[in-house]
Amino acid sequence: SQTIHQWPATLVQPVGSPLSLECTVEGTSNPNLYWYRQAAGRGLQLLFYSVGIGQISSEVPQNLSASRPQDRQFILSSKKLLLSDSGFYLCAWSVFSGGPYEQYFGPGTRLTVT
Amino acid sequence: GQNIDQPTEMTATEGAIVQINCTYQTSGFNGLFWYQQHAGEAPTFLSYNVLDGLEEKGRFSSFLSRSKGYSYLLLKELQMKDSASYLCAAMDSNYQLIWGAGTKLIIKP
Repeated sequence: SQTIHQWPATLVQPVGSPLSLECTVEGTSNPNLYWYRQAAGRGLQLLFYSVGIGQISSEVPQNLSASRPQDRQFILSSKKLLLSDSGFYLCAWSVFSGGPYEQYFGPGTRLTVT
Repeated sequence: GQNIDQPTEMTATEGAIVQINCTYQTSGFNGLFWYQQHAGEAPTFLSYNVLDGLEEKGRFSSFLSRSKGYSYLLLKELQMKDSASYLCAAMDSNYQLIWGAGTKLIIKP
């Protein structure tokens, strides 16, 4: 069966510090991978998605970046965090194999920028 | 533009039935998804509809009307553990999910 891991679970970082969040998927090959952010009491905002190694699409211009160095690894980074970067970061995967293409989420990282 | 609308909050009684509505506007349509999200946790997949009609899965059912851009999630025999946010999401022509802000469901004993 497929599983998705995210770490760390919680993170408190000062403004201006760097960020690296990692997501790995097990039990599937060539998944589509997604990074979302959820502000408190809000819906999901798609930040990046990837259909393959080295292929990243950005949905929202910001100070965040993403990389996919391996098939089942997706990394979210920032060189300098802003207060507005606080939120719940979720990694998700899906596989296009005839539908319905539902996305499955990792446990999330709660980031507080102080 | 693309848009999903769902009520912000609903309250229901344990053992009762509740219907959470969702209307959507997307560029193309490849299905409607419902997710459950407990406080502080990640969303979990509940249901998928791409054809008109009702899909039943235990206590939960989901309905879709493509012509009306409308869906609902029906929860029967409510239990306290059903207290959560329910997220509606429509898949557009690029197979990207457009998410609603979620409906917080409060179950009272």
